[in-house]
Amino acid sequence: DIQMTQSPSSLSASVGDRVTIRCRATQHIRNYLNWYQQKPGKAPILLVYAASTLQSGVPSRFSGSGSGTDFTLTISSLQPDDFATYYCQQTYTTPLFTFGPGTKVDIK
Amino acid sequence: QVQLVESGGGVVQPGRSLRLSCAASGFTFSDYAMHWVRQAPGKGLEWLAVITYDGKNKYYADSVKGRFTVSRGNPKSTLYLQLSSLTAEDTAVYFCAREERRSSIYYLDHWGQGALVTVSS
Repeated sequence: DIQMTQSPSSLSASVGDRVTIRCRATQHIRNYLNWYQQKPGKAPILLVYAASTLQSGVPSRFSGSGSGTDFTLTISSLQPDDFATYYCQQTYTTPLFTFGPGTKVDIK
Repeated sequence: QVQLVESGGGVVQPGRSLRLSCAASGFTFSDYAMHWVRQAPGKGLEWLAVITYDGKNKYYADSVKGRFTVSRGNPKSTLYLQLSSLTAEDTAVYFCAREERRSSIYYLDHWGQGALVTVSS
C-alpha cells in the first residue's frame, strides 16, 4: 500500500506570507497527486490536480509541484480566505485513492 | 451547475445498518464514477469506496470492505452507501464526490455537503 505523509501537520502564518506544504508518498506515484482545501464544516475543494495543474477558478497564488515521491503546495501570498486544512491525495493506485493526513494553516 | 446532496444520516445503534443517498444533478450522472469519503470528528479525510459509471465495478478501502456496499441508480441519478455492522469508529461525516478523469489523471472535482452518521447506543 502507498502511504502519504504531509509536513508540517500544522503551521501558523500571517497574511501575505509565502506558505509551503509538503506531501510525500512511500512509493513513486509519478504525478498522480491532487491537493484539496477544506474549511471547518465544509466539503473539500479541489485546488490542484496532476501535481501542478490548477483547477479552474482557483486563485493563481496557489501552485503545485513535484513528481515521483515528493510534492509541494505553495501559497505565494497567504490571504484571509486561505486559513484552512490542506490535504494531498494520490490516485496512482486508482481506483483506490489515499489521502494524506492534512496540514492545518492558521493565523499567527 | 453540478450539485451533490447527501441524505440519510442520523443516529444509529452499534451493530445496526444505515443507507446513505447522494442525489446528483447538473451533469450526466451515468457518465461518471462516484466515490464516498468520510471524516471522523476532528480527523482527516478517509477514502472509502468507488463505483464505476455503469455500476459494474466497485472497490473499497480495507477498513470497510465486507461491511459497506456502494451502489447507484442511474435512472434516478442517485448514489448509495449501505453501512452495516456499525461501530462507534464509523461515526463520521460521509461525503459523496464525483470523479473527473483527464487522460489517466483522476481527481474528485465536486463534493456533496456531507451527511453525519453517529453510532451510539
